[in-house]
Amino acid sequence: GNSVTQMEGPVTLSEEAFLTINCTYTATGYPSLFWYVQYPGEGLQLLLKATKADDKGSNKGFEATYRKETTSFHLEKGSVQVSDSAVYFCALIPFGNQGGKLIFGQGTELSVKP
Amino acid sequence: GAGVSQSPSNKVTEKGKDVELRCDPISGHTALYWYRQRLGQGLEFLIYFQGNSAPDKSGLPSDRFSAERTGESVSTLTIQRTQQEDSAVYLCASSPSRASGANVLTFGAGSRLTVL
Repeated sequence: GNSVTQMEGPVTLSEEAFLTINCTYTATGYPSLFWYVQYPGEGLQLLLKATKADDKGSNKGFEATYRKETTSFHLEKGSVQVSDSAVYFCALIPFGNQGGKLIFGQGTELSVKP
Repeated sequence: GAGVSQSPSNKVTEKGKDVELRCDPISGHTALYWYRQRLGQGLEFLIYFQGNSAPDKSGLPSDRFSAERTGESVSTLTIQRTQQEDSAVYLCASSPSRASGANVLTFGAGSRLTVL
């Protein structure tokens, strides 16, 4: 079946540290891949996406590259800020999925300390 | 509206009571989704509406859960005879049409349900 696995949190970093949140997936064909972010007290927001192999999604200094060979979509940021503290969700929509149903990972909480 | 609105934002109820959760999607969005987020867990898909029909109800956990949608607007998720394991944040999302790489979901802030 289709599934998404993320690294467990919480991840605690100091401001300006380098961030990697690992995400791997299982799916047939070429799914579309997403990172959503949930800031404290707010709803999920789309952070970035990639729809085909080798695409790189980027937004707000975050990047993720669609790697078909390793079935991965790791989230990276070169220098995190306190305001990046949130829960990050990796998700996919399977190719050809008639319902367009997003399948989510379990989420990774990031805490950035000053 | 400008975003997806959900109400109530918080609901505390006693075990065995029925609850209704409301979602008002972005105007013009034909696709509407309900998800459940339990504490410390990922999002579980519940149901998907295209217009007022529900082609995918596969995520509803039991027959105590039901949902309906009026036209291409408001949707209501009803949980009958609530149990403590129903405690979660219920999230609604909408998109212009069936979600895909191009049509991304926009989420509401959620309704937090606590069953005592």
